[in-house]
Amino acid sequence: GAVVSQHPSWVICKSGTSVKIECRSLDFQATTMFWYRQFPKQSLMLMATSNEGSKATYEQGVEKDKFLINHASLTLSTLTVTSAHPEDSSFYICSARGAVAWGEVYEQYFGPGTRLTVT
Amino acid sequence: TQLLEQSPQFLSIQEGENLTVYCNSSSVFSSLQWYRQEPGEGPVLLVTVVTGGEVKKLKRLTFQFGDARKDSSLHITAAQPGDTGLYLCALNTGNQFYFGTGTSLTVIP
Repeated sequence: GAVVSQHPSWVICKSGTSVKIECRSLDFQATTMFWYRQFPKQSLMLMATSNEGSKATYEQGVEKDKFLINHASLTLSTLTVTSAHPEDSSFYICSARGAVAWGEVYEQYFGPGTRLTVT
Repeated sequence: TQLLEQSPQFLSIQEGENLTVYCNSSSVFSSLQWYRQEPGEGPVLLVTVVTGGEVKKLKRLTFQFGDARKDSSLHITAAQPGDTGLYLCALNTGNQFYFGTGTSLTVIP
């Protein structure tokens, strides 16, 4: 099956610094990628939908200036957490939408996640 | 806005017991998916249900889509410690993808 990678898998940064997380689709082109945030034992909360070559669509309550998303190519989307604070510590997961649909359902391929800890 | 509400939120059972997880919404969906996630990993797709009343089986897991396509259930028979994880229902319409509130299952040996 299709593979989505994330880098780094975990990162520790100091408060006030910025961190960039990469999401790559390794063997297919993804016109749409999604970014999620997850706290322990809770569900994944959709942060934004990223479409190649256009601005990301952010969910209500997600600060677009704090969580910068760039989808510059069909295989790469990046999430930059700017001026990180301890409350931004979380598990961040991306997914890439497959190119082929059956019925109305497209396959979603998930990355392994990135654990961010802000000290 | 949570489109999909799951219950229970947490569930801790003994090995060998049966359990059911529910996913409910006030909206009608053309399809619904179930995922399982282990700590520190991404979700893994278990099944997609598309037809009202549909029942799908995956070994000890039985998935059902409600007749009105507004709810779904996941039943696990004779739970094992390896079933421990976060179970998520999800709405996947291509342009939209939202997870339910999640059910954290712990199976005690």
